Amino acid sequence: SQQGEEDPQALSIQEGENATMNCSYKTSINNLQWYRQNSGRGLVHLILIRSNEREKHSGRLRVTLDTSKKSSSLLITASRAADTASYFCATGSSGSARQLTFGSGTQLTVLP
Amino acid sequence: AAGVIQSPRHLIKEKRETATLKCYPIPRHDTVYWYQQGPGQDPQFLISFYEKMQSDKGSIPDRFSAQQFSDYHSELNMSSLELGDSALYFCASSPASGGGYGYTFGSGTRLTVV
Repeated sequence: SQQGEEDPQALSIQEGENATMNCSYKTSINNLQWYRQNSGRGLVHLILIRSNEREKHSGRLRVTLDTSKKSSSLLITASRAADTASYFCATGSSGSARQLTFGSGTQLTVLP
Repeated sequence: AAGVIQSPRHLIKEKRETATLKCYPIPRHDTVYWYQQGPGQDPQFLISFYEKMQSDKGSIPDRFSAQQFSDYHSELNMSSLELGDSALYFCASSPASGGGYGYTFGSGTRLTVV
């Protein structure tokens, strides 16, 4: 990935457990977004956190952002088999360019 | 709610042929982005348009061109196709303010070059 790395690359857990995925980036950002992608399908926006925010919640999702470490984490609580997908972080630059730069993704498998 | 519409969903072309992919953004979204996602790869930004003008350019080959029309739909034209162009091509749209909103992606066009 040109922007950063996601950790781990693959994660396998049992239904009901929590899943944590991490993302690191390299440049200054305006915001960081998390997307989900089912195999071969489109990207679905999950949550956006702005550079001046440290934590954000949405349902079973919790996102943290540490701009000093240039890192973010996505926590999915009480996982379900339907959460099985690839999860990407994407950063929006603080410069004039507004395109998103994606990380390399974490493949999450939730076993029933 | 209306989503980003891409057509066609699947496309098979031979090497050296030309392909045109279309994207219809969400109404009142005037910024369109094109991304390419190879097998097992993360999406790579190709190009974007704001108010029908090219706004940003990423890793788009010279063989590709794109434009945004007066009705805000966009087309990605790909010529002299190569086997390595086989990928999922996504279009996304966002409101002009961009940075404060998540982008809405279409379902993608799967291009296979044989």
